[in-house]
Amino acid sequence: AQKITQTQPGMFVQEKEAVTLDCTYDTSDQSYGLFWYKQPSSGEMIFLIYQGSYDEQNATEGRYSLNFQKARKSANLVISASQLGDSAMYFCAMYFNDYKLSFGAGTTVTVRA
Amino acid sequence: EAGVAQSPRYKIIEKRQSVAFWCNPISGHATLYWYQQILGQGPKLLIQFQNNGVVDDSQLPKDRFSAERLKGVDSTLKIQPAKLEDSAVYLCASSTSGRAYEQYFGPGTRLTVT
Repeated sequence: AQKITQTQPGMFVQEKEAVTLDCTYDTSDQSYGLFWYKQPSSGEMIFLIYQGSYDEQNATEGRYSLNFQKARKSANLVISASQLGDSAMYFCAMYFNDYKLSFGAGTTVTVRA
Repeated sequence: EAGVAQSPRYKIIEKRQSVAFWCNPISGHATLYWYQQILGQGPKLLIQFQNNGVVDDSQLPKDRFSAERLKGVDSTLKIQPAKLEDSAVYLCASSTSGRAYEQYFGPGTRLTVT
């Protein structure tokens, strides 16, 4: 069975600093996709970044980068130069061969001025 | 391009009452999803439609939850009767056929059952 684990329920980060959000997964599938979503207090899920299991290079999107370590089954999100608007809940998600998105429990990030 | 629309945004009901949520996906998106997100947890897929047919409803509590997607566009999710544990945010998402990994989410409906 596939499982996604986010062990950090909440994190504080100083404005302009970088923060790393942890995500580990467990699957026997060879083909899968890894996602990170941001959910601000308004409630909508905002897609941030995607990494395919066969992609050799780590994905980057602006200030977001995904540190993909396939052997360790981890897909950590790095947010560089944190901004006040980055305060939100962040979810790691996986797309498996059964074509479903499965989400972790989330990490709350609070950016301090 | 308009995003996924949901209504109402908030709903408060008493247990054993009925409630319905509405979702209008992005135009042209054949696949529609309903998720339940309990406070402090990640979203959980309740049901997935492809056009107006159900692809997956394995996690839908069918004794009290029902959903339909008439004409393959709008969808409604109904709870009857509601229980306290149904308090959650109900998210609707849509995607084009064959691109289920690229889902676009609506703002959600926050349901409180008292």
